[in-house]
Amino acid sequence: EVQLVESGGDLVQPGGSLRLSCATSGFTFSNYWMHWVRQVPGKGLVWVSRINSDGSTITYADSVKGRFTISRDNAKNTLYLQMNSLRADDTAVYYCARVLTGAWFFDLWGRGTLVTVSS
Amino acid sequence: QSVLTQPPSVSAAPGQKVIISCSGSTSDIGNHYVSWYQHLPGTAPKLLIYDNNKRASGIPDRFSGSKSGTSATLGITGLQTGDEAEYYCGTWWGTWDSGPSGGGVVFGGGTKVTVL
Repeated sequence: EVQLVESGGDLVQPGGSLRLSCATSGFTFSNYWMHWVRQVPGKGLVWVSRINSDGSTITYADSVKGRFTISRDNAKNTLYLQMNSLRADDTAVYYCARVLTGAWFFDLWGRGTLVTVSS
Repeated sequence: QSVLTQPPSVSAAPGQKVIISCSGSTSDIGNHYVSWYQHLPGTAPKLLIYDNNKRASGIPDRFSGSKSGTSATLGITGLQTGDEAEYYCGTWWGTWDSGPSGGGVVFGGGTKVTVL
């Protein structure tokens, strides 16, 4: 089955760290750019970061630059998001999503994992 | 990068039509393809429309997309109760020649579709 499954969401204190994972299956992972998108409960989707197929090109939204690190392991078909210096406004459901190289749309998303930053 | 502008909500009776607008600028919608996503709480967002007006695999022709200048629209005809969801437009921002690897991605604030 073609799917993306996020994990690693948790309750963490402000200033803390968390590592999210996105396990993929059913497709050739290395053919896709991978992105993280988040959604504050009750609010809209907000793009967070992306990484190209071999991990050599990475981009971040200004709101997470310097605090979050995206990475991937093509041997394990898994995407990661290391989140440091977490703030209350990072509280959100985090989705991973794929984009076929050269395409301009997300054709598959995961169901998300909830990150709550609170003392 | 600013969020694309969508109406917070639209509604219509079963069988009727709704149109959702998505407004941006020359640096995002004006320069890039637009895609549309359907999202139900607790589920994975689902691609409906890509490259402005192409339907994703398995999406019925009740759903249609268009783009003109710095705005795009999603139309849903023959409205069904199963269409009740949040709908988001999305696009890239930055220069066209930088390709999908340039700039970043921006979404609309979402539109709640209610079937009366």
